[in-house]
Amino acid sequence: DIQMTQSPSTLSASVGDRVTITCRASQSISSWLAWYQQKPGKAPKLLIYKASSLESGVPSRFSGSGSGTEFTLTISSLQPDDFATYYCQQYNSYSLTFGGGTKVEIK
Amino acid sequence: EVQLVESGGGLVKPGGSLRLSCAASGFTFSSYSMNWVRQAPGKGLEWVSSISSSSSYIYYADSVKGRFTISRDNAKNSLYLQMNSLRAEDTAVYYCARDRAPTIFGVASNWGQGTMVTVSS
Repeated sequence: DIQMTQSPSTLSASVGDRVTITCRASQSISSWLAWYQQKPGKAPKLLIYKASSLESGVPSRFSGSGSGTEFTLTISSLQPDDFATYYCQQYNSYSLTFGGGTKVEIK
Repeated sequence: EVQLVESGGGLVKPGGSLRLSCAASGFTFSSYSMNWVRQAPGKGLEWVSSISSSSSYIYYADSVKGRFTISRDNAKNSLYLQMNSLRAEDTAVYYCARDRAPTIFGVASNWGQGTMVTVSS
């Protein structure tokens, strides 16, 4: 199975900060990567697919980049609604795998 | 509006069985692949199983292979997960999730609210 490693596991930031989360795959997954946001007690929400395509309705402050084994999710200016946990997920193989998550906390 | 509503969760003893259901509405269910994803208390997301639109392709995580069975009834717009030989480590919220597009496998754009499964004696 393809392993997905996210860093950091926790991130403390302030409103207005630029935030970057990294996701690494154990082997090349081309651009078959998605990013999700999850808030406590809620289902995940799709933000980005195919590494850099913004899902409809998602604010443009969210962006994704990367290919192969290294990917990043960037929030250009952190808003109060963005404090949540973020997960990457590969869909290069039929055995889907998620990263361990990055919790974005208020500094 | 796409809606996915899971049901069937509950408390079950180790070794027991449970069948989860997911009722879908607001889209052409028979056109989309569907997935089950779970989340143990305080832990991250774990993919469980996926099924293609016509049930031709079915995939399972190694952790549930041989114990869980995914199925669907397109006439009833419903997705199922039959869970047998349950273990304590299967305790989790189970989400039903729809793929983003009929031609894209593995990206879940719509999720249900989840149903809790607790395996304990």
